[in-house]
Amino acid sequence: DAKTTQPPSMDCAEGRAANLPCNHSTISGNEYVYWYRQIHSQGPQYIIHGLKNNETNEMASLIITEDRKSSTLILPHATLRDTAVYYCIVRVAGTASKLTFGTGTRLQVTL
Amino acid sequence: DGGITQSPKYLFRKEGQNVTLSCEQNLNHDAMYWYRQDPGQGLRLIYYSQIVNDFQKGDIAEGYSVSREKKESFPLTVTSAQKNPTAFYLCASTTTVGNSPLHFGNGTRLTVT
Repeated sequence: DAKTTQPPSMDCAEGRAANLPCNHSTISGNEYVYWYRQIHSQGPQYIIHGLKNNETNEMASLIITEDRKSSTLILPHATLRDTAVYYCIVRVAGTASKLTFGTGTRLQVTL
Repeated sequence: DGGITQSPKYLFRKEGQNVTLSCEQNLNHDAMYWYRQDPGQGLRLIYYSQIVNDFQKGDIAEGYSVSREKKESFPLTVTSAQKNPTAFYLCASTTTVGNSPLHFGNGTRLTVT
């Protein structure tokens, strides 16, 4: 079973921030949180990852709670091209263990 | 450019035939994965391999087989024992050093009739 849970769907108006939550209450101390997104009929694309500090790159920001049991992916100014399914997974860095994806969150960005 | 190549993009087979999906990477990654995706669903793990000549079953390995004879290649065979083989198949790879993310191919859509 997936180690993460996400809401099945969310809507966001174009130009507004999209905040996608992920629950990973059983996360271990050495597990990172990774986010990916999948546009229809393509392979998932890596977005960002983090261990315990907040992270930001050109695509998004990742906010991890202090207890590390949940995180939020923030797309600061959503565009129509951000419409996709977003997945979060947890993984121990430097390992090639069984990596299980949940069903993700389908983000619909609207005009 | 480095990446993962899955071929072909679309594959059609008759029921009862085995079919092999190709996955090749030139990223020098140790670990490789196969996932299955059904319409409107998430990714389900079929098999994964951490090193050459070694692989482990994922959550839905029944009806599938794999081999890992070379570091860069991880072919998946969908056998006639797989009851519902029509699906979108995704291959991924990653290193076992540092915190590199998974890199995915663009998938093969298999249709069995």
